[in-house]
Amino acid sequence: QVQLQESGPGLVKPSQTLSLTCTVSGGSISSGGYYWSWIRQHPGKGLEWIGYIYYSGSTYYNPSLKSRVTISVDTSKNQFSLKLSSVTAADTAVYYCARGGGRSEGNWFDPWGQGTLVTVSS
Amino acid sequence: QSVLTQPPSASGTPGQRVTISCSGSSSNIGSNTVNWYQQLPGTAPKLLIYSNNQRPSGVPDRFSGSKSGTSASLAISGLQSEDEADYYCAAWDDSLNGHVVFGGGTKLTVL
Repeated sequence: QVQLQESGPGLVKPSQTLSLTCTVSGGSISSGGYYWSWIRQHPGKGLEWIGYIYYSGSTYYNPSLKSRVTISVDTSKNQFSLKLSSVTAADTAVYYCARGGGRSEGNWFDPWGQGTLVTVSS
Repeated sequence: QSVLTQPPSASGTPGQRVTISCSGSSSNIGSNTVNWYQQLPGTAPKLLIYSNNQRPSGVPDRFSGSKSGTSASLAISGLQSEDEADYYCAAWDDSLNGHVVFGGGTKLTVL
């Protein structure tokens, strides 16, 4: 079955760019049909959708983060990535990657990666 | 402040039936389907219900979902201790060019 695994630095300095990669196994991103997503959870808080990307490169972002977010895909490596610029302490969160069903399927997310904690601190 | 409103907590005893509500608006629940996620302590969320009332393979039929107008509900019957978790509703919101919105989550305690 499809599995996702996040990777990247656990500590980022304020004003720098947070960069994470999600590696997909057990399925191919380029086979289409799914939207590859990033979702975050602030410590002790609820979930916040960051955005998603289709294998073709089409992206959809949360309006509240859109000016700072870039999601990209590398089908040759079966990976997709998140870049969040100009980070502050408010961006400290557990970041999850997930496979999404897309708008026509109801935008469900399944499965999810285990999540990676990113702390923004000097 | 989450776009979808859930009660922060709910509780029940083993064997009971509990429901968790999720209230939205015409731009989200009122015009799109609702999904529910279960997050056990220290783990990633798991899809529990999709398209208002569909269960993914492997999810017990003790879990059910419904939607009416701009509100949705998750029901858990035959409550078990392992159901103690955080539950989140989510839906697409048509405002601002469209985006996914989540509820604030409901912590379910099995007494």
